[in-house]
Amino acid sequence: EIVMTQSPATLSVSPGERATLSCRASQSVSSNLAWYQQKPGQAPRLLIYGASTRATGVPARFSGSGSGTEFTLTISSLQSEDFAVYYCQQYNNWPPITFGQGTRLEIK
Amino acid sequence: EVQLVESGGGLVQPGRSLRLSCTASGFTFDDYAMHWVRQAPGKGLEWVSGISWNSGNIGYVDSVKGRFTISRDNAKNSLYLQMNNLRAEDTAFYYCAKDRATVTLYYADNWGQGTLVIVSS
Repeated sequence: EIVMTQSPATLSVSPGERATLSCRASQSVSSNLAWYQQKPGQAPRLLIYGASTRATGVPARFSGSGSGTEFTLTISSLQSEDFAVYYCQQYNNWPPITFGQGTRLEIK
Repeated sequence: EVQLVESGGGLVQPGRSLRLSCTASGFTFDDYAMHWVRQAPGKGLEWVSGISWNSGNIGYVDSVKGRFTISRDNAKNSLYLQMNNLRAEDTAFYYCAKDRATVTLYYADNWGQGTLVIVSS
């Protein structure tokens, strides 16, 4: 099983600033990595797939990078609606498909 | 518009069974693989199971193997999760999710709103 580790667990950032979230895989997942956003009481929403491709309707301030075992989600200028929990997920080797434990992005 | 509506959740005693359903609309159901993903209250996401378009590829997380069975009925645009011998640790919101792929499993590009399963005596 590929273990996905996200850091930090909680990130405090002010609106308008940049946020950088990290995700590490226990072995290479190539570029087979997705990022999701989840707000309280809502289902997750796909943000990024293929490590760097934005899903339909996702604002350009969201960008993904990385390959192999190290990945980054960057939000260039935080808006109020961006404060949420973010998960990475690998789909290179399954079963099982595995998620990171999440990073909570909170307002500073 | 893609819609995924889960049903069948509820309160069940340990050791009993429950069957979850997911009704899909707004897309050609049998063109896509599907997933069940769960989330214990206040916790992170856990992939439970996935199934390819024709049920030829199926996978489970180890913790549910032998107890849960995923299936689909393409004629009814429906996905199912039969959950047997339920345990307290199965308590979670269960989400139905659509993959972007057909034959294999990649990532979920659309999600339902979830159905809550509580396993308790």
